Amino acid sequence: EPEVTQTPSHQVTQMGQEVILRCVPISNHLYFYWYRQILGQKVEFLVSFYNNEISEKSEIFDDQFSVERPDGSNFTLKIRSTKLEDSAMYFCASTRSYTSGANVLTFGAGSRLTVL
Amino acid sequence: GESVGLHLPTLSVQEGDNSIINCAYSNSASDYFIWYKQESGKGPQFIIDIRSNMDKRQGQRVTVLLNKTVKHLSLQIAATQPGDSAVYFCAENNNAGNMLTFGGGTRLMVKP
Repeated sequence: EPEVTQTPSHQVTQMGQEVILRCVPISNHLYFYWYRQILGQKVEFLVSFYNNEISEKSEIFDDQFSVERPDGSNFTLKIRSTKLEDSAMYFCASTRSYTSGANVLTFGAGSRLTVL
Repeated sequence: GESVGLHLPTLSVQEGDNSIINCAYSNSASDYFIWYKQESGKGPQFIIDIRSNMDKRQGQRVTVLLNKTVKHLSLQIAATQPGDSAVYFCAENNNAGNMLTFGGGTRLMVKP
């Protein structure tokens, strides 16, 4: 069964450092997402991406965050200057098509980010 | 603001019993709902979905019920097994966008 793969599985970084989290969505999927989950809390939407541009973003996704699809397979999330409160599990997700009001997302296993 | 939330943070059931996990939503514009299962160390995994024009949908051992009158969603798991132990999230989607809004999660613990 096709999977969304994420690397690294765990990254520890110092506050203020830049972090890049990588995702390989399912190959025939066209819509890509990043979500995050702070320990013990709900999964929160960050950003959606389609046709090489951001289609939606949440209030969490401020100027410190960026996304990129540098080639035909990778989808990255960059945090320019990490803060302690960025510590969370970051999930990449993808879906093949967008149907208004019916989006089943396939999630990766997540990248745990720990900011010290 | 409007949100999706869960009534019970932890549910403990005996193996073989049926489980019911509940979810309340407040966004009346929501027209599509999904249940996800999250096992420890893994990402959310799709279980079942339902559109707002339906009241009930059945899958393998799982049933989702939607009560639009009281804005309530439930997930029923028949003959609960140890492998069902996980955190269950409900999520909503509406025509306003293509993002999912997740509820707070319920941990299901299955006792052997």
